[in-house]
Amino acid sequence: DGGITQSPKYLFRKEGQNVTLSCEQNLNHDAMYWYRQDPGQGLRLIYYSQIVNDFQKGDIAEGYSVSREKKESFPLTVTSAQKNPTAFYLCASSIKGLEPNTGELFFGEGSRLTVL
Amino acid sequence: AQSVAQPEDQVNVAEGNPLTVKCTYSVSGNPYLFWYVQYPNRGLQFLLKYITGDNLVKGSYGFEAEFNKSQTSFHLKKPSALVSDSALYFCAARNAGNMLTFGGGTRLMVKP
Repeated sequence: DGGITQSPKYLFRKEGQNVTLSCEQNLNHDAMYWYRQDPGQGLRLIYYSQIVNDFQKGDIAEGYSVSREKKESFPLTVTSAQKNPTAFYLCASSIKGLEPNTGELFFGEGSRLTVL
Repeated sequence: AQSVAQPEDQVNVAEGNPLTVKCTYSVSGNPYLFWYVQYPNRGLQFLLKYITGDNLVKGSYGFEAEFNKSQTSFHLKKPSALVSDSALYFCAARNAGNMLTFGGGTRLMVKP
């Protein structure tokens, strides 16, 4: 079945360590996104990519990095520079990025990162 | 800047009663509006969208939403709530050329 796969579902990290969250989609979507979800704050955009080898910062990009070497993959690295990394991270994709009929976002199941 | 407001952190309703989850938006130009639902420790699932046309949009699981341009609202409704509808609901908005902006979410609790 087509969809978005995020891994790992749960991840624990010690302070000072970088960690990479995986996001893979087989929907043939051009655009991919990373959101951070904290209780009571809704979703905040970290990074997005509309095409391979290109990506842009979202509202809260500091302390994060991404790459888009393949259409199917958009991994997110949470670096030690991120001051409060404990959160639920959601990856999403859409057919296109900013065109008017971009349609809805398709979300993965999320990755919960806890910093010990 | 565009924004989305969900004024209620939580909505409580009895099973079988109608439910409304409120959403207001601020978007320049024509808005594109969405509702998503999230179950615990899961990703968001698309419910419905308004792009253009009829102001009453029907979506998944018996949900519908009414677009009101004059009130800049897009409230989610269902005629008869189910216990299984209990979840976190997000409204989102964008205009052409912009990213989606999400509201803070509303927790719906349906009691038997």
